[in-house]
Amino acid sequence: SAVISQKPSRDICQRGTSLTIQCQVDSQVTMMFWYRQQPGQSLTLIATANQGSEATYESGFVIDKFPISRPNLTFSTLTVSNMSPEDSSIYLCSVEGGSAYEQYFGPGTRLTVT
Amino acid sequence: DQQVKQNSPSLSVQEGRISILNCDYTNSMFDYFLWYKKYPAEGPTFLISISSIKDKNEDGRFTVFLNKSAKHLSLHIVPSQPGDSAVYFCAARTQGNLIFGKGTKLSVKP
Repeated sequence: SAVISQKPSRDICQRGTSLTIQCQVDSQVTMMFWYRQQPGQSLTLIATANQGSEATYESGFVIDKFPISRPNLTFSTLTVSNMSPEDSSIYLCSVEGGSAYEQYFGPGTRLTVT
Repeated sequence: DQQVKQNSPSLSVQEGRISILNCDYTNSMFDYFLWYKKYPAEGPTFLISISSIKDKNEDGRFTVFLNKSAKHLSLHIVPSQPGDSAVYFCAARTQGNLIFGKGTKLSVKP
């Protein structure tokens, strides 16, 4: 299984600012995923990030709000831009697991926007 | 429109007894169903899965049952242990992506 770390683990940010979340994997992976879990809600896929190509965003998420970088096969960043209190969530990155349907998740970044 | 629903936000069982967590879905195109377990301040970890062509998969204390006609799956944990206390997410796969339910918080009391 892959070991995934995320930075920061938590942050409290002011409305209107931006935060960049880092995701590091201990092995090379093709696909990385970014999820959001709002309070009391399910994990929702924001985008899929492949190295060397632009991220693919799910319905309801746009690149201007959630720009993603994928500079190599072990690292990705997600930026939450121009934050509002509605962006307060846990943000998780994940990678494909050993089987086609399994994913390994990082510990998450708990973001609070005031 | 929720495609994967976990209607019980919480469940409490006694140690040694059976825990049954339920999940309903609406999309008959899902090809795999998975259960993830999540402890506080950690990411979800994969627990067990089942293909849409199966009706049961067992792994130790964990068994997942799939009823396609009812679009329902359940996770059985027998016997339940205090260390099983966590949030359990049901997930379904379609077109390579996972769609998650809201989770059920299981508390196993000694």
